[in-house]
Amino acid sequence: GEDVEQSLFLSVREGDSSVINCTYTDSSSTYLYWYKQEPGAGLQLLTYIFSNMDMKQDQRLTVLLNKKDKHLSLRIADTQTGDSAIYFCAEPHGSSNTGKLIFGQGTTLQVKP
Amino acid sequence: SAVISQKPSRDICQRGTSLTIQCQVDSQVTMMFWYRQQPGQSLTLIATANQGSEATYESGFVIDKFPISRPNLTFSTLTVSNMSPEDSSIYLCSAGRTGGFEAFFGQGTRLTVV
Repeated sequence: GEDVEQSLFLSVREGDSSVINCTYTDSSSTYLYWYKQEPGAGLQLLTYIFSNMDMKQDQRLTVLLNKKDKHLSLRIADTQTGDSAIYFCAEPHGSSNTGKLIFGQGTTLQVKP
Repeated sequence: SAVISQKPSRDICQRGTSLTIQCQVDSQVTMMFWYRQQPGQSLTLIATANQGSEATYESGFVIDKFPISRPNLTFSTLTVSNMSPEDSSIYLCSAGRTGGFEAFFGQGTRLTVV
């Protein structure tokens, strides 16, 4: 079945780069997503990548996709204290693109000043 | 994009009672979903809210416990029935469009059952 796995915790110093990793199982996924959840808030779509891409860059965010290994990563350059949050990797639930998602466990990013 | 509003944002309820959570989208969407996020856990899909018909529930979730309504393309409700402390979670509404790739989320309802 479909499954998404993430490491649970990452701690970095302000100004350093953060790399959050994710593995997924459904090779037919057409999109893969990164969502951010700040304390007490809902989910915000940070970025996404189409399955036919290897890399996507969006300002401080870089997403790398290794389809062979079913591995997705999110790199945050120059990490700031405002980046402290839980980051969820997600893939579509099933084969249709309807917005129904399967989420990883979430990686808590702690940014120390 | 779509903006999703959920009400209430939080509530503390007595065990054995029921709570209805409302989800309003600012534009017509094809798909609406309800997720549960238990403390310290990831999001688990409860059901797909189907407009004009019964919701489609995921394994482990049943209509008697989580009745869902969706009277039109912009509104849905989730009821958590006969609550117990184990139902204490954040409940999130999500919406998407068929053929679209983005899922939009409400801010969630933080439920505490005492």
